[in-house]
Amino acid sequence: GAVVSQHPSWVICKSGTSVKIECRSLDFQATTMFWYRQFPKQSLMLMATSNEGSKATYEQGVEKDKFLINHASLTLSTLTVTSAHPEDSSFYICSARWGGGDSPLHFGNGTRLTVT
Amino acid sequence: GENVEQHPSTLSVQEGDSAVIKCTYSDSASNYFPWYKQELGKGPQLIIDIRSNVGEKKDQRIAVTLNKTAKHFSLHITETQPEDSAVYFCAASEGDAGKSTFGDGTTLTVKP
Repeated sequence: GAVVSQHPSWVICKSGTSVKIECRSLDFQATTMFWYRQFPKQSLMLMATSNEGSKATYEQGVEKDKFLINHASLTLSTLTVTSAHPEDSSFYICSARWGGGDSPLHFGNGTRLTVT
Repeated sequence: GENVEQHPSTLSVQEGDSAVIKCTYSDSASNYFPWYKQELGKGPQLIIDIRSNVGEKKDQRIAVTLNKTAKHFSLHITETQPEDSAVYFCAASEGDAGKSTFGDGTTLTVKP
């Protein structure tokens, strides 16, 4: 149980275009979803926290107009990278949980974004 | 905010040996401490967790210990196997709506 599906697993786009990444909890309702960015050989950098039906809370330094997060239902959150540039190339990972801070996180398998 | 330090950053062991990874945290309000394993090109997966009302938890070859007074917790893997090779992350979070703070990760290599 507790499966999180993230799509696409990889995407290549041209500079200036937008890319949407989906994160779905398949067998549970996620009260909270999180989006991370991970650079090679580094830890997970939290970008934003998303609660169903409310605006996402962004971490300091993350541009909310560039990284649009929508949490339309208890099973789906999306991250849209708008006007992507090569420096946005990275590994993006989502996670979901159904309880509070003392509940485990269930991660998607990540999306490798390459902006050319 | 919470700060989690993880050591070592890399660990190499022979197959069959034990591996220990240690983490310290700073916020005494943190009460949930999970460990995640991340294989190359994949998202992290929960392998074991412990809550602050418990001092030790074991699941087959994996165990976690927690010392609340000293604010540190450790992951112990016994009888290591090559498939245990991965990056391991510790994390600490508070109940309610708390975010998880991750350590910087430990790259474990198990040599056959």
